[in-house]
Amino acid sequence: TQLLEQSPQFLSIQEGENLTVYCNSSSVFSSLQWYRQEPGEGPVLLVTVVTGGEVKKLKRLTFQFGDARKDSSLHITAAQPGDTGLYLCAGRGTSYGKLTFGQGTILTVHP
Amino acid sequence: GAVVSQHPSWVICKSGTSVKIECRSLDFQATTMFWYRQFPKQSLMLMATSNEGSKATYEQGVEKDKFLINHASLTLSTLTVTSAHPEDSSFYICSASLDRGLGTQYFGPGTRLLVL
Repeated sequence: TQLLEQSPQFLSIQEGENLTVYCNSSSVFSSLQWYRQEPGEGPVLLVTVVTGGEVKKLKRLTFQFGDARKDSSLHITAAQPGDTGLYLCAGRGTSYGKLTFGQGTILTVHP
Repeated sequence: GAVVSQHPSWVICKSGTSVKIECRSLDFQATTMFWYRQFPKQSLMLMATSNEGSKATYEQGVEKDKFLINHASLTLSTLTVTSAHPEDSSFYICSASLDRGLGTQYFGPGTRLLVL
């Protein structure tokens, strides 16, 4: 069974601060995805990283996939209240199509 | 982009009744659909994987006789919660994928179930 440890579980910060969310595993993933979910809605895909060491940027969000494809991070620069939500990482392993989700990080950005 | 819908978006039912939730891929054919369950402020837990035309594969600990899954066409999968009880109250989310699940999973908006 592949596990994905996501941290921190809760993050409460002021507008303008930077933050990093981590996902770690002892297993290798063929790809890793980051999602953002708002209350009462389904997750929305932010990015997929596939290659070890890959870095992708989406405006103020920077995603990195570890060299060994076992870990990933999401860094948000100058957080805004609109960034508030549940952030989920999900790794695709060897099991046919299945995604393993991390526990999630509830981010609250205060104005 | 690929759109997945769920119906109903929320449902309240009495204990002991059965509830059917539909998951539809609106603009693509989904060979594989996944059903997840999510408790408040928690992550998604995979319940089962459904391939069109074949029986669903359930995750360990998920009762297949309680959570009936049917994937009769390439655009529709249904989850039926049979003899629902209050502990079945949750947020149920489906996702749909091309390429037998190897492609991107597109998530539906979820269905909130409350069993009284």
